[in-house]
Amino acid sequence: EVQLVQSGAEVKKPGESLTISCKGSGYSFTNYWIIWVRQMPGKGLEWMGKVDPTNSYGTYSPSFEGHVTISADKSITTAYLQLSSLKASDTAVYYCARSTVITLGNVDAHHFDRWGQGTLVTVSS
Amino acid sequence: SYDLTQPPSVSVSPGQTAIITCSGDRLGDKYVCWFQQKPGQSPELVIYEDRKRPSGIPERFSGSNSGNTAILTISETQAMDEADYYCQAWDSNTGVFGGGTKLTVL
Repeated sequence: EVQLVQSGAEVKKPGESLTISCKGSGYSFTNYWIIWVRQMPGKGLEWMGKVDPTNSYGTYSPSFEGHVTISADKSITTAYLQLSSLKASDTAVYYCARSTVITLGNVDAHHFDRWGQGTLVTVSS
Repeated sequence: SYDLTQPPSVSVSPGQTAIITCSGDRLGDKYVCWFQQKPGQSPELVIYEDRKRPSGIPERFSGSNSGNTAILTISETQAMDEADYYCQAWDSNTGVFGGGTKLTVL
């Protein structure tokens, strides 16, 4: 069974840093990207970035570049989301998801077919 | 940056057809996915590559995409379909979500 299991809820103070993990199992970890999505309280989904587990190369949304680092360790089939200099506005649920890697006629057709359970991050002084 | 626009809310009576739109510049040139999210749960893929359904998704979920608009259609809507729905596409190697539509089944 394909599973993505994320690390547990975190409570942090402003200015601190945080790393969330996402462990994949039940599939070939390097055949899919891992993406990260933020959902602030009562708000919609925001695509943060993706990582290719074969080389741990990350691609970021302009909205998050410079504030987050996405990486992966294929030896332990785990991806990571690092958040630095946390602010109260980083309070959110963060999801990882598995992304297929498909291009059809030169058009990106990747889709997110399995999701982690989400990690609640609370930033408060 | 690329924007996807969805109506904030759509209401439908049980058994009727719900239509949720997603608009973006030349969206028909891209592939669109749709996700369902119920309160307290992770999103779930319900449509990919504009119109394909993952295994386990009922046939009453269908999708289309042309011009500047993608459409998620839910036929014979049931109470269990009440949820938030998000469209998603790719632009310049970056994923983009629509703002989400709250579907209410009255």
